[in-house]
Amino acid sequence: AQRVTQPEKLLSVFKGAPVELKCNYSYSGSPELFWYVQYSRQRLQLLLRHISRESIKGFTADLNKGETSFHLKKPFAQEEDSAMYYCALVITGGGNKLTFGTGTQQKVEL
Amino acid sequence: NAGVTQTPKFRVLKTGQSMTLLCAQDMNHEYMYWYRQDPGMGLRLIHYSVGEGTTAKGEVPDGYNVSRLKKQNFLLGLESAAPSQTSVYFCASSYPTLDEQFFGPGTRLTVL
Repeated sequence: AQRVTQPEKLLSVFKGAPVELKCNYSYSGSPELFWYVQYSRQRLQLLLRHISRESIKGFTADLNKGETSFHLKKPFAQEEDSAMYYCALVITGGGNKLTFGTGTQQKVEL
Repeated sequence: NAGVTQTPKFRVLKTGQSMTLLCAQDMNHEYMYWYRQDPGMGLRLIHYSVGEGTTAKGEVPDGYNVSRLKKQNFLLGLESAAPSQTSVYFCASSYPTLDEQFFGPGTRLTVL
């Protein structure tokens, strides 16, 4: 069965410091991975998807099939990056169901 | 566009009571989903639907039923609420492509 692991429940970084939120997955098929973010008092929203190879709000994530990882990175943390981040894997076909990790709460301190 | 809306926002139930959560989307999405969010467990899929008149079980379907009589609406029912169903419930919708899911604001349910 597929599984997404986010080992850090809480990550505290200083403003301007580099950020890395870890995500590892296990899936027998070809993985399609996403990062979703939930800012305080806002709804969950897509941050980025690996197939787009895009950078959103300074964040990037590279799929490493050898290490089965999809870590989220940003070179310089900003105060507005404080949020809950979820890594998710989609099971293709039959509804494109998402399997979420347990989430990492990131707090950016001044 | 309102996007994905959920009704109600908050609800407190007593054990054994029943209720229905309503999800509505105005984006003409084929797929709709119900998740529950619990501390330390992330979001878990309860039921989903790939089109009007169809529903399927997700990861944690026990104790819940769903219906999709209209394309824009997806209802989640609790026939006999239990304290273990205290959670925040999120609805989402998407196109059939490998695209993002759009989430509603959530319903906070407490079962006493």
